[in-house]
Amino acid sequence: GAGVSQSPSNKVTEKGKDVELRCDPISGHTALYWYRQRLGQGLEFLIYFQGNSAPDKSGLPSDRFSAERTGESVSTLTIQRTQQEDSAVYLCASSLGGDRRVQPQHFGDGTRLSIL
Amino acid sequence: LAKTTQPISMDSYEGQEVNITCSHNNIATNDYITWYQQFPSQGPRFIIQGYKTKVTNEVASLFIPADRKSSTLSLPRVSLSDTAVYYCLNYGQNFVFGPGTRLSVLP
Repeated sequence: GAGVSQSPSNKVTEKGKDVELRCDPISGHTALYWYRQRLGQGLEFLIYFQGNSAPDKSGLPSDRFSAERTGESVSTLTIQRTQQEDSAVYLCASSLGGDRRVQPQHFGDGTRLSIL
Repeated sequence: LAKTTQPISMDSYEGQEVNITCSHNNIATNDYITWYQQFPSQGPRFIIQGYKTKVTNEVASLFIPADRKSSTLSLPRVSLSDTAVYYCLNYGQNFVFGPGTRLSVLP
């Protein structure tokens, strides 16, 4: 079956521009997560959605970052006024509902964001 | 805050068994322990999950002692294609993926 799909796979933009990253989770997965991964490092949690609500936004690094989810499906991560330190791979994952501490997460292959 | 510690890197040879141990600081009573594998330019992939004792699937085994302060991922007879970064995780209140263990399998 189809896995988690992210678009674009690569994005190059100039400092100060806004970018929007998209995630299509696995059908039927009510939980959705965004992570950031800098080169050679582990994953940094950004935000978690259960359905369309985001009970945990604790990982968003600044108010330039925001995310939304509609129809318990597609999610978009928006970064405003991008900075060079935003350059990273942004990964999306989805999982079945229920206890998020138990459900394995299924990851997309990420969007590689490069800020010039 | 749930935190895990694991070796930064390991080397092995094809055909050997590889054991990667992770320590789980402040693991909560109802936390599961989960391991993921990540290849370059790909997202992490779920390998195995357990709560206590031993779990085995077609890919790996996971050993968790009674105190649950550590876990060991065991990969039997590794091949070159097992070269990847391996992450241990207990979710707790935050989804903290550390830097992982970079496993290099040599011919």
